[in-house]
Amino acid sequence: AQSVTQLDSHVSVSEGTPVLLRCNYSSSYSPSLFWYVQHPNKGLQLLLKYTSAATLVKGINGFEAEFKKSETSFHLTKPSAHMSDAAEYFCVVSERDSSASKIIFGSGTRLSIRP
Amino acid sequence: DGGITQSPKYLFRKEGQNVTLSCEQNLNHDAMYWYRQDPGQGLRLIYYSQIVNDFQKGDIAEGYSVSREKKESFPLTVTSAQKNPTAFYLCASSIGGRSSGNTIYFGEGSWLTVV
Repeated sequence: AQSVTQLDSHVSVSEGTPVLLRCNYSSSYSPSLFWYVQHPNKGLQLLLKYTSAATLVKGINGFEAEFKKSETSFHLTKPSAHMSDAAEYFCVVSERDSSASKIIFGSGTRLSIRP
Repeated sequence: DGGITQSPKYLFRKEGQNVTLSCEQNLNHDAMYWYRQDPGQGLRLIYYSQIVNDFQKGDIAEGYSVSREKKESFPLTVTSAQKNPTAFYLCASSIGGRSSGNTIYFGEGSWLTVV
């Protein structure tokens, strides 16, 4: 069965310091993994996705994520945080090649940026 | 520009009333979805449709109804049977169905408040 766990409900970092948002998943098949960002009162915007190509995936706004099958992780990182990065981030897993699959959203991580 | 348009952005409903949220996409996507998001929480699937004239219940379909008469339109009706309808509603679409691993694209959302 699929599941996705975002390990931190809230992360706070200083502007200019690295960002790490953690996501662990479980999947019986070859998963597709996504990170979305949501600013207040807005829809979700795709940051990046992994679909069995390169394990290090680069996304928009300087974010990247590494798929680690041995650790069942897909953590989101950024070398230097900007104030505009303050938002809610969702990790999403979707199974392929399964008639009974479904798309699962993590519970979200709120990222705060300190000046 | 292609995208997903949700309307209205804000809607107030009196107790006992049905209301309909509109969702239109011009991305030529086959699959469309409705999610509910409560403050500080993740997304929960209400209904989804993989093709015109067909739709399936998601995890929290009770008190909601949908139709898919046209490929580009997937309206959601929140009925009086929904006991706690105050929430942020997100419409989404993707090229393929839920098992394909394709990227899901989101609208900007609609806020529904019961007064």
